[in-house]
Amino acid sequence: EAGVAQSPRYKIIEKRQSVAFWCNPISGHATLYWYQQILGQGPKLLIQFQNNGVVDDSQLPKDRFSAERLKGVDSTLKIQPAKLEDSAVYLCASSLEVSGQGNRHTIYFGEGSWLTVV
Amino acid sequence: DQQVKQNSPSLSVQEGRISILNCDYTNSMFDYFLWYKKYPAEGPTFLISISSIKDKNEDGRFTVFLNKSAKHLSLHIVPSQPGDSAVYFCAVRLGGGKLIFGQGTELSVKP
Repeated sequence: EAGVAQSPRYKIIEKRQSVAFWCNPISGHATLYWYQQILGQGPKLLIQFQNNGVVDDSQLPKDRFSAERLKGVDSTLKIQPAKLEDSAVYLCASSLEVSGQGNRHTIYFGEGSWLTVV
Repeated sequence: DQQVKQNSPSLSVQEGRISILNCDYTNSMFDYFLWYKKYPAEGPTFLISISSIKDKNEDGRFTVFLNKSAKHLSLHIVPSQPGDSAVYFCAVRLGGGKLIFGQGTELSVKP
């Protein structure tokens, strides 16, 4: 089974520029997440989609970050304009379901997109 | 306001000995607790979990203990192996599937 795919793996941009990250979740997974992990911290949820609808975007800085999952499969996270403090790893993850027992709710992460803003 | 805390940023253990990683949480309403393992340049991978109705779950060398009265979660690895060297994150699950992660503990297992 293919895992969560993300691209690009690495990106260096200047502040005030824009960047976009792409994610393709595990086939059949209805729920997709974008997490931000700053060095030395744990991942923090930015946005959660259920199919193509937003479930939780309470921690997404909406003045500069946007995300979409138009067809309920792959997703794009955009930052415009970027700030120095946006330097982080952006992790995409997916799960079959959002809750319940067993492995159906287990969240699987991609390898991440590493962003450096200079 | 950190709801999940891992107070030890790093831990060093000798191969073959026990590794104990700790995690504290603040909200007694959390219903599911998980541990993720992360190697450099990779995403976190799911390791083991426990429901709030249990106090222990075991999977091979990995055992997770939950002490609800103390709001404390721990991961035991016995015996520890050099391949276990990684960053370990504890996480709690909120309703709707959202995970809140601790800051992580970097485990180093020395041969």
